[in-house]
Amino acid sequence: AQTVTQSQPEMSVQEAETVTLSCTYDTSESDYYLFWYKQPPSRQMILVIRQEAYKQQNATENRFSVNFQKAAKSFSLKISDSQLGDAAMYFCAYRSAQGGSEKLVFGKGTKLTVNP
Amino acid sequence: DTEVTQTPKHLVMGMTNKKSLKCEQHMGHRAMYWYKQKAKKPPELMFVYSYEKLSINESVPSRFSPECPNSSLLNLHLHALQPEDSALYLCASSQRKVLFTDTQYFGPGTRLTVL
Repeated sequence: AQTVTQSQPEMSVQEAETVTLSCTYDTSESDYYLFWYKQPPSRQMILVIRQEAYKQQNATENRFSVNFQKAAKSFSLKISDSQLGDAAMYFCAYRSAQGGSEKLVFGKGTKLTVNP
Repeated sequence: DTEVTQTPKHLVMGMTNKKSLKCEQHMGHRAMYWYKQKAKKPPELMFVYSYEKLSINESVPSRFSPECPNSSLLNLHLHALQPEDSALYLCASSQRKVLFTDTQYFGPGTRLTVL
């Protein structure tokens, strides 16, 4: 079974600075998808960024980028120019690419605080 | 547009009540999901409907009964719940197309309290 580990229960960053959230995963599959979701206090889970394992190029979405290291099974999220609105719980998630496999495997989350 | 709506936002019910949670999406997605999330924990998958058919039931107690009346609607019927069932219930949907990442988009959730 796949597992996702987020080793940082809490992180903090100063506004306008850069922060990196860590995520590692364990799988024997070669094809899969990885996601970062953000859950602010309003509680809605919002997709931040996704990465297909077969793509070598790291995904980017505006101020958010990932460092995907397939061999190391690492998928970290970098947030540049942090804003107060980035404060939230961040979940890393894995999904198999096998047909019919809809289950997302989540890490335990990292709570990000942004200090003004 | 990646909107999934859920009603109600908050629900308080007694252990003998029967209530329903509703989820709706108009993105043409053909897979819909129910998750349960306890405080400070990640979401836990409960059910998956794919093309209006139940495809995954994660050994959820029978006091939770899902229903997918059509491709846009997903209900979760609640009966004889226990206080430990108090949680945030999240609905999600995804396109369910082959060769697509099938990203799940979540609704805002229903905060359920069982007294």
